[in-house]
Amino acid sequence: DTGVSQNPRHKITKRGQNVTFRCDPISEHNRLYWYRQTLGQGPEFLTYFQNEAQLEKSRLLSDRFSAERPKGSFSTLEIQRTEQGDSAMYLCASTPTGGDGYTFGSGTRLTVV
Amino acid sequence: QQPVQSPQAVILREGEDAVINCSSSKALYSVHWYRQKHGEAPVFLMILLKGGEQKGHDKISASFNEKKQQSSLYLTASQLSYSGTYFCGTGGGGGGSNYKLTFGKGTLLTVNP
Repeated sequence: DTGVSQNPRHKITKRGQNVTFRCDPISEHNRLYWYRQTLGQGPEFLTYFQNEAQLEKSRLLSDRFSAERPKGSFSTLEIQRTEQGDSAMYLCASTPTGGDGYTFGSGTRLTVV
Repeated sequence: QQPVQSPQAVILREGEDAVINCSSSKALYSVHWYRQKHGEAPVFLMILLKGGEQKGHDKISASFNEKKQQSSLYLTASQLSYSGTYFCGTGGGGGGSNYKLTFGKGTLLTVNP
C-alpha cells in the first residue's frame, strides 16, 4: 500500500474557475477526512466520510465547496467559483474504523490568482 | 474551539530536551500529536485517550490530563530529525477517538547540531 494519494499536487487557477481534487485513501480505511491548511496554521476540518456517507461538513464551509465519496473508495473535493481566499493546502487523511491516528496525504496546494 | 499550543517556537541543540504544551477550553476525549516537516504532510506520532494515560515510543512521550484539559509532548535527547512543526489535535468525542480533530497553530521546533 502506498498510503494516501492526492492529485494534483499543485493547482493554479484563475478566480471564478471551478477546481476538483482527488484523494485515494488507504484501501482498508473506512473513514476519510478533508482538511485545509494555510501558512502558519494547523489543519482546519472541512468534512468527513464514513464509507460513502458524508457525516459532517464544517459550518465554515460555504456552499461553493462539495465533496463526494462514491462507493466508499476515493473522494473528490470540488470548489466552485474559486476566490483568492481559497488558496491553501488541501489535505486528505484516512483512518480505519475505530483505528488510530490519521494518515495524511501529501496534499494539493491550490493557488487562486 | 482551537487548542492553544505553547511555546510557539523553540530552538534546541542536539541532545537537549523540550516540552510542548496543548491546552483546551473544552472537555477532551482524545489528543493526537503530529509532526510536520516543511512542505510535507503531517505525520502521526501518538494518540492519548481520556484516562490520563502517558504514552511514548523511543524518546518521545506524551501525557494527557483530562481534568486540566491539557496534554504535553516530551522530547528527550533531541535529534536533528526532530525538527519540524508539532501540532496537537483535540477530539471532542462523539463517535470514537479518531473523530474530527481541531488542531492548534503548531509549535516550530528547530534542533541544531
